Amino acid sequence: GEDVEQSLFLSVREGDSSVINCTYTDSSSTYLYWYKQEPGAGLQLLTYIFSNMDMKQDQRLTVLLNKKDKHLSLRIADTQTGDSAIYFCAGIDRGSTLGRLYFGRGTQLTVWP
Amino acid sequence: DAGVIQSPRHEVTEMGQEVTLRCKPISGHDYLFWYRQTMMRGLELLIYFNNNVPIDDSGMPEDRFSAKMPNASFSTLKIQPSEPRDSAVYFCASSPSGGGGELFFGEGSRLTVL
Repeated sequence: GEDVEQSLFLSVREGDSSVINCTYTDSSSTYLYWYKQEPGAGLQLLTYIFSNMDMKQDQRLTVLLNKKDKHLSLRIADTQTGDSAIYFCAGIDRGSTLGRLYFGRGTQLTVWP
Repeated sequence: DAGVIQSPRHEVTEMGQEVTLRCKPISGHDYLFWYRQTMMRGLELLIYFNNNVPIDDSGMPEDRFSAKMPNASFSTLKIQPSEPRDSAVYFCASSPSGGGGELFFGEGSRLTVL
């Protein structure tokens, strides 16, 4: 199945940009996702990108996809303390038509005021 | 819609006891997933259902774990007997058909086995 790798921790100052990186193994993943988990809560879908796209922007969020290197990144502009959370990268297993997701370990983002 | 509802939110039990975790998916969602989250292993898929039928239970750690979905609005995850290494946060998530990878997660059930 899909293998998704992320760094575990990232610290930034409020107002700076955050870049969270992810690598994946399955080059035929149709969709790649970013989920956010706030303390004491479940995961919520933040954004996603189709595999035929290189970039997607949604307000303060920018997703970049490098298919050649199988690298996905999430950039958060003007990071706020409310952005402190765990961010999960996820992809769909190419062997599944039923939307089975493989998640990375998650990156704990800490934003310092 | 109230979202995915899980109960209990917190459970503390002693080793050897039976634990039952419950989930009510979002109405109309055809897929239901059970995940376990720990610091050591991150988020692991235990089992998922499609239209109440178990599709993939390869993530269930051992025979002590069982999951059922008797109808479209209810699922249980049971651990019998429980062990300290089962301590984790258990999440239920649901998804509509054709929803790609968008899962809707409950708030989780934090299990502590002493």
